Amino acid sequence: QSALTQEASVSGTVGQKVTLSCVGNSNNIGSQAVGWYQQISHGGPQTVMLGNSLPSGIPDRFSGSKSGTTASLTISGLQPEDEAVYYCSTWDHSLSTHVFGGGTKLTVL
Amino acid sequence: EVQLVESGGVLVQPGGSLRLSCAASGFMFSSYRMNWVRQAQGKGLEWVSYIGIGSSPIYYSESAKGRFTISRDNAKNSVFLQMNSLRAEDTAVYYCARDSGKSGIFDFWGQGTLVTVSS
Repeated sequence: QSALTQEASVSGTVGQKVTLSCVGNSNNIGSQAVGWYQQISHGGPQTVMLGNSLPSGIPDRFSGSKSGTTASLTISGLQPEDEAVYYCSTWDHSLSTHVFGGGTKLTVL
Repeated sequence: EVQLVESGGVLVQPGGSLRLSCAASGFMFSSYRMNWVRQAQGKGLEWVSYIGIGSSPIYYSESAKGRFTISRDNAKNSVFLQMNSLRAEDTAVYYCARDSGKSGIFDFWGQGTLVTVSS
């Protein structure tokens, strides 16, 4: 069982806005920035969000936010190439370990 | 351009040892904390270990503690993972990941190296 909880699957149509969530607690998401990583089938992870900052080269249809112990990744104007598994992660200062969510499979219909 | 290139993944028998390497380029390696993350086939990402800038602090996941050792050589722009007493459940792709400096979240990843533990 993952320390951070994500939806198992989310789907949307091209052009739609979708939001993926990542739920933690006060020792991790509640007090730390959250990273979001995209993994397209059989490929390595790529960082798509660093807290609420967009890494270089990532389209600005990706945005990140956080409220309390829940972080969110929003994709506005969904594109076919956004179909992937998305993972969230952060540092847990109580456990002194890095923690991941179980991943959300995003399907673009 | 930031590049992280892992190597050292092979087929090894249960109980065996292996040393993974990650060669970094395109940035000032000595100024960044580094991590190892693994992924078993069909499973999610699992953090394994972290090493600070001057090789301190060092942290391990519970599954790695006592069996794996992370180290770095800033002169060679490399980070290593020595894995001992390997088990079948250590079979995974191992990724090297750079710490962004923000709460330990990762900004760059390598392409991974496959470790298979099997008799």
